[in-house]
Amino acid sequence: QVQLQESGPGLVKPSETLSLTCTVSGGSISNYYWSWIRQPPGKGLEWIGYIYNSGSTKYSPSLKSRVTISVDTSKNQFFLKLSSVTAADTAVYYCARERGGDHGAFDIWGQGTMVTVSS
Amino acid sequence: DVVMTQSPLSLPVTLGQPASISCRSSQSLVYSDGDTYLTWFQQRPGQSPRRLIYKVSNRDSGVPDRFSGSGSGTDFTLKISRVEAEDVGVYYCMQGTHWYTFGQGTKLEIK
Repeated sequence: QVQLQESGPGLVKPSETLSLTCTVSGGSISNYYWSWIRQPPGKGLEWIGYIYNSGSTKYSPSLKSRVTISVDTSKNQFFLKLSSVTAADTAVYYCARERGGDHGAFDIWGQGTMVTVSS
Repeated sequence: DVVMTQSPLSLPVTLGQPASISCRSSQSLVYSDGDTYLTWFQQRPGQSPRRLIYKVSNRDSGVPDRFSGSGSGTDFTLKISRVEAEDVGVYYCMQGTHWYTFGQGTKLEIK
């Protein structure tokens, strides 16, 4: 059974870069689309972007200028970098999987990792 | 951006009674391939979201058949025929036709 696990620092300073890793276990990272989604405390869900195992990416227009998603297929991991963070980037960050052609119908989610932006 | 608007935002329901959540999009969700990419997720307290319904009305395996999805174009509905205690949580619709955007969420609670 495929499982996703997010990891990374729980505290990031304002103006710095948030970096997270999602590790895929129980299956291959190949041939799926892998997304990052976030949820500010007490609020709704926001899609950040995705990567295909080939390395092609798409990002939310509202975050595009600050987001980079990359993949390491040899380690079955993909990554999120979000630059110039502010308090508004404080959220639980989830990684999630979608099958090709599913258009965001994420079928597997990680447990989420809380990231707080504060000095 | 396509805006997804859910109503109501809060839904108190008596156990065993039906519940209905509306989701409206600011643009048609019919994609160029003819499919409509509208998904419903359930987020129980303290948990990650879980997919319930994809492409408007396709229920995931393991999802009780009391959950059903319907709609077309810009208007969609998630129905629960008889609410059970385990259904408490927040329900999100999400469109995948024009980038990906979520509704604000509807919090279902037991009266």
